[in-house]
Amino acid sequence: DQQVKQNSPSLSVQEGRISILNCDYTNSMFDYFLWYKKYPAEGPTFLISISSIKDKNEDGRFTVFLNKSAKHLSLHIVPSQPGDSAVYFCAASARGSGTYKYIFGTGTRLKVLA
Amino acid sequence: GAGVSQSPSNKVTEKGKDVELRCDPISGHTALYWYRQSLGQGLEFLIYFQGNSAPDKSGLPSDRFSAERTGGSVSTLTIQRTQQEDSAVYLCASSLGSTRSNEQFFGPGTRLTVL
Repeated sequence: DQQVKQNSPSLSVQEGRISILNCDYTNSMFDYFLWYKKYPAEGPTFLISISSIKDKNEDGRFTVFLNKSAKHLSLHIVPSQPGDSAVYFCAASARGSGTYKYIFGTGTRLKVLA
Repeated sequence: GAGVSQSPSNKVTEKGKDVELRCDPISGHTALYWYRQSLGQGLEFLIYFQGNSAPDKSGLPSDRFSAERTGGSVSTLTIQRTQQEDSAVYLCASSLGSTRSNEQFFGPGTRLTVL
């Protein structure tokens, strides 16, 4: 049972436009969410996080939005650059689970076209 | 500064053989994690070490899997009597601590193929 779902396995966006990556979750106990980015043959690298007490967190070109009622979060990248082409993983952790127990989605492969 | 390193980068083995995967965390990081990513799946938590505390082994899929961390640094993940379903990328991560503000830094992974 996938508690964290990334329903779009891939996404292509033109350079300079907005990339929107989506993530849905089922566990209402999740209260901390992260996005990781992964290039081929490298480990995932942390991108941005959001706590459930917020609905938005911004870091440069990256913004994460959280809609708790819909159990949905999204990552916006504006403007998209070719170097953003990678696989993006959404992850979540639950209250009382221990901070290390992140549940990851299956990833979305983003391709930014020059 | 060196990041998390893992060896080997690729391992091909025959069904039934034992394998050992190694992780060298970032120096000074007290927390160490093992995950695996099977084809088409997300990262699956396997085991967590924090300092001298007993490890959290709740993610290990069977008793064929074990891990240890010697001297609070290097960790090895051992899979005994490998099965084809064990084929996956095994990722190690480390962090300074285990609070949510402590970013997990991942190694490049070991791709295990069981024939």
